[in-house]
Amino acid sequence: DSGVTQTPKHLITATGQRVTLRCSPRSGDLSVYWYQQSLDQGLQFLIQYYNGEERAKGNILERFSAQQFPDLHSELNLSSLELGDSALYFCASSNPERGPISYNEQFFGPGTRLTVL
Amino acid sequence: AQSVTQLGSHVSVSEGALVLLRCNYSSSVPPYLFWYVQYPNQGLQLLLKYTSAATLVKGINGFEAEFKKSETSFHLTKPSAHMSDAAEYFCAVSPNYGGATNKLIFGTGTLLAVQP
Repeated sequence: DSGVTQTPKHLITATGQRVTLRCSPRSGDLSVYWYQQSLDQGLQFLIQYYNGEERAKGNILERFSAQQFPDLHSELNLSSLELGDSALYFCASSNPERGPISYNEQFFGPGTRLTVL
Repeated sequence: AQSVTQLGSHVSVSEGALVLLRCNYSSSVPPYLFWYVQYPNQGLQLLLKYTSAATLVKGINGFEAEFKKSETSFHLTKPSAHMSDAAEYFCAVSPNYGGATNKLIFGTGTLLAVQP
């Protein structure tokens, strides 16, 4: 158990719909990362938040957005869903304040499997 | 831009045989390098990491990897494969400049099968 939780575990929805994925980081971790794992694109970095602020963006579509709340949990919002958005979405957390050795060590949640029909 | 290349999307070994999973990186600065393992229907678990302390890195479950700057490689090895090692393995690179982000850039993964 990494200490990172993600809900829901599975999500089935239809094209054009909007969904919200939730992530709770490890206790004390300030950074949250979202990754997408699909057969076509592999594992891709989407976006990072650090202590409530957006820190970096990767290959995130404009239809997708995220935020990190004061209690440090994060939500990834996916809208106008398309068949190609079907994937496993991972959240990871880390805490750079813990020192340089663990600076880049990210702990992954179990993922949310999104199926768009 | 940083990237990693994993050679061999599928590797099959016999139980007890040497495991060798290949990873080459591309980076203009000394990177942080990682190996993660993903078991079926599970998240990613960190096996080991290179953060410029020692070139030979030992991880969990008997795995180790050696950072070779001259070859830009970070291959993962285990002397004797066990059935429980069957999983998908990902090599990843992260910027090492103490900057604003330490996002991970993953390779395409290598699926390891262990034959009895």
